[in-house]
Amino acid sequence: DSGVTQTPKHLITATGQRVTLRCSPRSGDLSVYWYQQSLDQGLQFLIQYYNGEERAKGNILERFSAQQFPDLHSELNLSSLELGDSALYFCASSVAETPRETQYFGPGTRLLVL
Amino acid sequence: LAKTTQPISMDSYEGQEVNITCSHNNIATNDYITWYQQFPSQGPRFIIQGYKTKVTNEVASLFIPADRKSSTLSLPRVSLSDTAVYYCLVGDGTNAGNNRKLIWGLGTSLAVNP
Repeated sequence: DSGVTQTPKHLITATGQRVTLRCSPRSGDLSVYWYQQSLDQGLQFLIQYYNGEERAKGNILERFSAQQFPDLHSELNLSSLELGDSALYFCASSVAETPRETQYFGPGTRLLVL
Repeated sequence: LAKTTQPISMDSYEGQEVNITCSHNNIATNDYITWYQQFPSQGPRFIIQGYKTKVTNEVASLFIPADRKSSTLSLPRVSLSDTAVYYCLVGDGTNAGNNRKLIWGLGTSLAVNP
């Protein structure tokens, strides 16, 4: 158990819909990262927040957005969903904001868009 | 953008030593090299991290040459439970500040056979 929690564990929705994925970092961690992993694909970094502020951006689509709240939990919002958005979405947390800090990953949210 | 290159897959047998090499030509001066292990449908897990020369922990060793343009993860005496995907992670040395991106290799799928 990494100490990072993600909800929901599974999500099934239809094209065009909007969903919100939630992540609670490990106690004491200020950085939250979001990743997307499609079937047979490597991890694609989406975005990083540190103490409530956006710190780095990866290949995140304009239809996706995220935020980190004062209690440090984070939400990833996916809108106008397409079939290709079906994937595992992982959240990770770390103590500091630099990429070299060890990241602790949550169990992931499996999203299926029908 | 910094890019990493790893073998797509490797095969080994129980009890053998496995070496996985990652190439990262554009690594930044201050970047560390981190390796993660991922089992199917689980989030990656930190294995080892290093900056230069050799690092060893209870799980693996990491060899980094002086030019730091590559690194080699060494797993001694692998077992069936070491079957997983191994990712090499380095920071993006060509961008700074808010444009830093985390570049993950596609990973190396290691299969350990009895």
